[in-house]
Amino acid sequence: EVQVVESGGGLGRPGGSLRLSCAGSGITFSSLWIHWVRQDPGKGLVWVARINSDGTKTTYADSVKGRFIISRDNANKTVHLQMNSLRVEDTAVYYCATDRGTYYVPENWFQSWGRGTLVSVSS
Amino acid sequence: ETVMTQSPATLSVSPGERATLSCRASQGVSNDLAWYQQKPGQAPRLLIYGGFSRATGIPARFSGSGSGTEFTLTISSLQSEDFALYYCQQYNRWPLTFGGGSKVEIK
Repeated sequence: EVQVVESGGGLGRPGGSLRLSCAGSGITFSSLWIHWVRQDPGKGLVWVARINSDGTKTTYADSVKGRFIISRDNANKTVHLQMNSLRVEDTAVYYCATDRGTYYVPENWFQSWGRGTLVSVSS
Repeated sequence: ETVMTQSPATLSVSPGERATLSCRASQGVSNDLAWYQQKPGQAPRLLIYGGFSRATGIPARFSGSGSGTEFTLTISSLQSEDFALYYCQQYNRWPLTFGGGSKVEIK
């Protein structure tokens, strides 16, 4: 089973940027859809974005559309989440998660999750 | 947006007893429903997908049922490691949405 590890979290300023990374292991990582899901402190889970296996298809939640960019580097088995124009409400633990769907059709449920990386946005 | 409502918010159960958690969708989502378990400081773990299919390595005491708007996760005989938060998630309608969670605590 593919395992993923997030990194890149930290303190960001409103209006600033942060870049998260999701490093995968296993030979099948490059064939998987990858999602980002965030969890507000003490609250529930919110889906953020997804990317297909070759990086040609991306989808975003309305709350981050136009501000966040998801991309991937399959040679290095990594998916990135570029977070721009940060807002206080972006504060959360960000998880990446795998999706075993086909090239054309994701499953949209999350098979393996990383341990998350904390993003705090504050002035 | 499809709102997922979980109940109860907290369930107090003794080890060995059955736990039944509910998840209601604001509109029909067919069988496109997953359940996850989360323990403090840990990532969520997939338990059930497709409404009733157990994920790899999930014990048989976990079972999912329901379709449309009403779903249930049943833990037949609670073990100590099962005390945790449980979330449902629908993937039939856009955007993907999660329930607010149900906590299973030791009675």
